[in-house]
Amino acid sequence: ETGVTQTPRHLVMGMTNKKSLKCEQHLGHNAMYWYKQSAKKPLELMFVYSLEERVENNSVPSRFSPECPNSSHLFLHLHTLQPEDSALYLCASSQETGELFFGEGSRLTVL
Amino acid sequence: RKEVEQDPGPFNVPEGATVAFNCTYSNSASQSFFWYRQDCRKEPKLLMSVYSSGNEDGRFTAQLNRASQYISLLIRDSKLSDSATYLCVVHRGYNKLIFGAGTRLAVHP
Repeated sequence: ETGVTQTPRHLVMGMTNKKSLKCEQHLGHNAMYWYKQSAKKPLELMFVYSLEERVENNSVPSRFSPECPNSSHLFLHLHTLQPEDSALYLCASSQETGELFFGEGSRLTVL
Repeated sequence: RKEVEQDPGPFNVPEGATVAFNCTYSNSASQSFFWYRQDCRKEPKLLMSVYSSGNEDGRFTAQLNRASQYISLLIRDSKLSDSATYLCVVHRGYNKLIFGAGTRLAVHP
């Protein structure tokens, strides 16, 4: 059973919609991450929050907007996405630079 | 050039076989290294860390060659349950883990 929970597990949205992905970790970790996984491509690091401060923003388009209100919760706000943004979005947490624990992912389809 | 490169496979091997995967990384400042395993439609999970002296965990052996900038994973006596994608991961700096695209292993009876 994962200590990192993501909702929704599946999301279909149009290009004009606004939606959010939610991640919650129950492990007491101090860092949280968003990764994007597209078919046959490596996991792409999108954002890193450490102690609720964003420490990494990997040249992600502004149509993706992260929010970390506290050390246990992480959101990814989505607006005016493109079909090529369809992918599996994985949230992870870690304690400092330790092992990453992933959620089961949110599979996003943009029509 | 990708920062972390792996042969995508698939490696199709019979049960009981020994199989080895290699991974190369381009940034010589990389600090630590890992192998993660990802089952189909599941999230990645840590398989093992890779230490400079090499390390073994049951049927799995990981090795690091800093001079040549490659990491290897050896699986002995393959089981059907070993079928998965194996991800090479490089820790490049504070909170920054870079993943390879993965090597797919299929173990058949």
